[in-house]
Amino acid sequence: GAGVSQSPSNKVTEKGKDVELRCDPISGHTALYWYRQSLGQGLEFLIYFQGNSAPDKSGLPSDRFSAERTGGSVSTLTIQRTQQEDSAVYLCASSLAVGGYETQYFGPGTRLLVL
Amino acid sequence: AQKITQTQPGMFVQEKEAVTLDCTYDTSDQSYGLFWYKQPSSGEMIFLIYQGSYDEQNATEGRYSLNFQKARKSANLVISASQLGDSAMYFCAMREEFGGSARQLTFGSGTQLTVLP
Repeated sequence: GAGVSQSPSNKVTEKGKDVELRCDPISGHTALYWYRQSLGQGLEFLIYFQGNSAPDKSGLPSDRFSAERTGGSVSTLTIQRTQQEDSAVYLCASSLAVGGYETQYFGPGTRLLVL
Repeated sequence: AQKITQTQPGMFVQEKEAVTLDCTYDTSDQSYGLFWYKQPSSGEMIFLIYQGSYDEQNATEGRYSLNFQKARKSANLVISASQLGDSAMYFCAMREEFGGSARQLTFGSGTQLTVLP
């Protein structure tokens, strides 16, 4: 079956522009996560969606970052007024929560470069 | 708060040999899960193996095994019979389990493994 897909694969933008990153989770997976991977900070959690519950936004670094998940499936991460420090790989993961155990499966990531 | 420590930034191993990648963790949670992921140069994170904190036996998946020592708070990954395709970055991660509100993974800094021919 299809894995987690993300688009675009690469994105180059100018400082101050807005960008949208898309994640299409594995079909049937109820949980969706966004992480950021950068050289200086390693892998950081950004936001988590579970079914119809309110998302856990505790990892978002600033109010320039937002995310939504439409219809419990596709998710979009939006970064407004991008800064050079936003340059990183943005990884999406999904999981099918079964009891207390779940494995998160990751997409290939979107490499964002802010000039 | 949870913390994962991987003290080996880089490791080398000869093809067909076994290698152990170290991981120690710190948590106040009673119930937690430990994961290992592989990230090749292509960038995708590939799930390798999982160990629950209440599992009495060490997890195994093919050539991967997890040496879980709960008292020492360590969860080392053992790769047997290394292959050239095993060259990649390896991340140890953990997460609160069983009803905890924090579902996200906490990652270590990773170990870059290079398999030599």
